[in-house]
Amino acid sequence: RKEVEQDPGPFNVPEGATVAFNCTYSNSASQSFFWYRQDCRKEPKLLMSVYSSGNEDGRFTAQLNRASQYISLLIRDSKLSDSATYLCVVNEAGGFKTIFGAGTRLFVKA
Amino acid sequence: NAGVTQTPKFQVLKTGQSMTLQCAQDMNHEYMSWYRQDPGMGLRLIHYSVGAGITDQGEVPNGYNVSRSTTEDFPLRLLSAAPSQTSVYFCASNGGAATNQKKAFFGQGTRLTVV
Repeated sequence: RKEVEQDPGPFNVPEGATVAFNCTYSNSASQSFFWYRQDCRKEPKLLMSVYSSGNEDGRFTAQLNRASQYISLLIRDSKLSDSATYLCVVNEAGGFKTIFGAGTRLFVKA
Repeated sequence: NAGVTQTPKFQVLKTGQSMTLQCAQDMNHEYMSWYRQDPGMGLRLIHYSVGAGITDQGEVPNGYNVSRSTTEDFPLRLLSAAPSQTSVYFCASNGGAATNQKKAFFGQGTRLTVV
C-alpha cells in the first residue's frame, strides 16, 4: 500500500464547477499535511496547509480527518487557471520525511 | 530571494557515465531532500538529510549517493547512469521540526535523460 494515495485523475470540469479531491495516508503518526499545486513541467508549490479544524483560503477549503487518515481539498467556482496537478503531501513525525501522493490532474474548461 | 537552487536544469548522459546534481538553499533549513518524478508516479523520495553530516535513504535510493557537508548544500550523485534514471529530479528543503517550518520549498528541477 502506498503511504499517500489520491483519487486517480484526470478531473475534467467546466468553469464555475465545484470539485473535490480526496487523499488517504497510512502512517497514523503523521503530523503535518499540505496540498501542493504543480503546473506542467514546473516545481510543486505550496497551495495550503491542512489543519484538523479545517481551513479555507478564498475558493479553496481543506479538511483533515485524523481518525480516518483522510484529507480533502474542495475548489469552488473553478477557474481556467486552476488547471494543474494537485498533490497531497504528508510530513511524518519529526519532519524528517515528506511524502507526496501521485497527484490528481485537473482540467478546467471554458 | 534565491530559495532553493538546482543545477543543471537539463542534462543528457550516456549509460555508465557519472554526474552530480547540485542543490543549494539559503534559508538555513535543516532538512533537505531529493525526489524523482516520473509520469504517473508522483514524487518519490530518493535520499534525505536532517542536518549537516546526516543522511538517510528514501523510497528509491539505489544508484544514487548523497552527502551533506554543509547546511546549505546537498548534492546528488549518479554513480553509473542507467536509462531507468531518466527522470525529472527535484531538490527540496524545509525548516525542520517546528510545525510552521515543515512546508517544503523546491528547486526548479533537473531534467535528466540517459541514453
